[in-house]
Amino acid sequence: DAMVIQNPRYQVTQFGKPVTLSCSQTLNHNVMYWYQQKSSQAPKLLFHYYDKDFNNEADTPDNFQSRRPNTSFCFLDIRSPGLGDAAMYLCATKQGWPDTQYFGPGTRLTVL
Amino acid sequence: DAKTTQPPSMDCAEGRAANLPCNHSTISGNEYVYWYRQIHSQGPQYIIHGLKNNETNEMASLIITEDRKSSTLILPHATLRDTAVYYCIVLDPNFGNEKLTFGTGTRLTIIP
Repeated sequence: DAMVIQNPRYQVTQFGKPVTLSCSQTLNHNVMYWYQQKSSQAPKLLFHYYDKDFNNEADTPDNFQSRRPNTSFCFLDIRSPGLGDAAMYLCATKQGWPDTQYFGPGTRLTVL
Repeated sequence: DAKTTQPPSMDCAEGRAANLPCNHSTISGNEYVYWYRQIHSQGPQYIIHGLKNNETNEMASLIITEDRKSSTLILPHATLRDTAVYYCIVLDPNFGNEKLTFGTGTRLTIIP
């Protein structure tokens, strides 16, 4: 029944060591999102794909990049993680009306 | 998108109705009110949305005032599993507007 799957659920990386988080969906939705949620804060949108069209938020650091090789998969690449990038990373999908988003369980990233 | 104001926290006794208010005084005619919730360590979950009329589904009811400047989410018989942060979001879901902007939300605690 899993619809939006994120792997791994917990990821530990070292300061400056590139890390990739993955998201897959079984819903065949055309929009996929990546959010960052720091401790005790609300989720904050980093970027999203509408089909293959990439939309970056203005304040998303250059350190964060994304790839969507096909409808089902989307990846978040953090090129040089800093201590401030430790957070929960949430993937979500959406398909048109009524504009509701389906979220995965998140990947909690720790930077040592 | 219009901004929303929610109380930071609320308590509700188990089995009673939980009424969560949201102010959105700058809402425009095309904007809908959406509610999501986030249980601890999980991704946000869609609850309900509405434009003008009151709405009800298997999870909750949404009451929107006639002037649309405020709304109330009602969980009719709260259980311990309803303990979560509840987010009220105002959004125009027209084509091209794909984003959810989360505010600070209301932390609802259900008391046994």
